[in-house]
Amino acid sequence: AQTVTQSQPEMSVQEAETVTLSCTYDTSESDYYLFWYKQPPSRQMILVIRQEAYKQQNATENRFSVNFQKAAKSFSLKISDSQLGDAAMYFCAYYSTSGTYKYIFGTGTRLKVLA
Amino acid sequence: DGGITQSPKYLFRKEGQNVTLSCEQNLNHDAMYWYRQDPGQGLRLIYYSQIVNDFQKGDIAEGYSVSREKKESFPLTVTSAQKNPTAFYLCASSSFGGDTEAFFGQGTRLTVV
Repeated sequence: AQTVTQSQPEMSVQEAETVTLSCTYDTSESDYYLFWYKQPPSRQMILVIRQEAYKQQNATENRFSVNFQKAAKSFSLKISDSQLGDAAMYFCAYYSTSGTYKYIFGTGTRLKVLA
Repeated sequence: DGGITQSPKYLFRKEGQNVTLSCEQNLNHDAMYWYRQDPGQGLRLIYYSQIVNDFQKGDIAEGYSVSREKKESFPLTVTSAQKNPTAFYLCASSSFGGDTEAFFGQGTRLTVV
């Protein structure tokens, strides 16, 4: 069974600085998708970025980028120029495309942004 | 506007009572999911459905039941057999195959007293 691990329960970053959130996953599949979601205090889940496993190029969305290392099964999220509005829970998610077709989430990392 | 709607936002029930959480989507998505969120445990999958009239158990299905009679709707019933039902429940939907992300409702906070 696939698993997603986020080993950092909480992280802090100074405003305007850069922070990297870690995510590792375990799978025997070759085709899958990976996602980072943000959950602010409102608890609404918001997609931050997605990565297709077959693409070698790392995905980027404005200040957000990923470091996808398929062989190492690692999918970290880098937030550049951190803003106060980035403070939230961040969840890493895996989607299987070969049989189970479900989203599996990690336990989350709470990001604090210090002014 | 297309989206996914959960209701109610807050729900209080007495211990031993069954309660049903509503989830409706107008995104024309085939797949729908129910997750439970507890502090420090992330999102845990309760049930999911990839097509009408079919659904599968997730990792923590005991004490819960679902139905999928319509593409748009995927209600979750929390039964009296669920030992610790107080939690935040999230419903999501997606196209089948994962080429888009899962879209989430605003969640229902269930408190059992």
